[in-house]
Amino acid sequence: KAGVTQTPRYLIKTRGQQVTLSCSPISGHRSVSWYQQTPGQGLQFLFEYFSETQRNKGNFPGRFSGRQFSNSRSEMNVSTLELGDSALYLCASSLGQLGGKLFFGSGTQLSVL
Amino acid sequence: QKEVEQDPGPLSVPEGAIVSLNCTYSNSAFQYFMWYRQYSRKGPELLMYTYSSGNKEDGRFTAQVDKSSKYISLFIRDSQPSDSATYLCAMYNAGGTSYGKLTFGQGTILTVHP
Repeated sequence: KAGVTQTPRYLIKTRGQQVTLSCSPISGHRSVSWYQQTPGQGLQFLFEYFSETQRNKGNFPGRFSGRQFSNSRSEMNVSTLELGDSALYLCASSLGQLGGKLFFGSGTQLSVL
Repeated sequence: QKEVEQDPGPLSVPEGAIVSLNCTYSNSAFQYFMWYRQYSRKGPELLMYTYSSGNKEDGRFTAQVDKSSKYISLFIRDSQPSDSATYLCAMYNAGGTSYGKLTFGQGTILTVHP
């Protein structure tokens, strides 16, 4: 069974630009969660989608948004990039029940210059 | 104060040693506990998943949960150089609408030297 696939692996952007990251979950998984990982803050939850609906959201500004498609693939968008948005962005897929196991992809390393 | 506290190390041990990694937490609502291993430039890999207090064993790994003390541990027996990675504890509040939201510790950097 293929794992969670994230594209692209690396991105370099400049301040003020916007970026879209993509995530394909494990086949059969309908939930996709997004996390930001930085050396200072560690792993922080951004949001979770299930059957194209956002069910949960973390404490990030509105510049961070996401969506999920009918095939469970998900995209995350960051608008008006800031230097502090440089991070590893991880998505995780699961079956979607509370307390369920989360399986992570390898992430997208975003550098904002 | 953070909800989950984990000593970042670094921790350096010789090959074959028993490694003990620990996390404490303050939120009694955490019901599910996980340990992830993360290699450099990779995503976290799920190692252990537990719900109840007590021990769970999987090969060289043992996860221990003490809900009364709000303390979880991961033991690695016969450690190998390939175990060198960052180990992250993670917890899940299974109440309300906490879908997809794990609360992570800061991670412990482990090096096993030959």
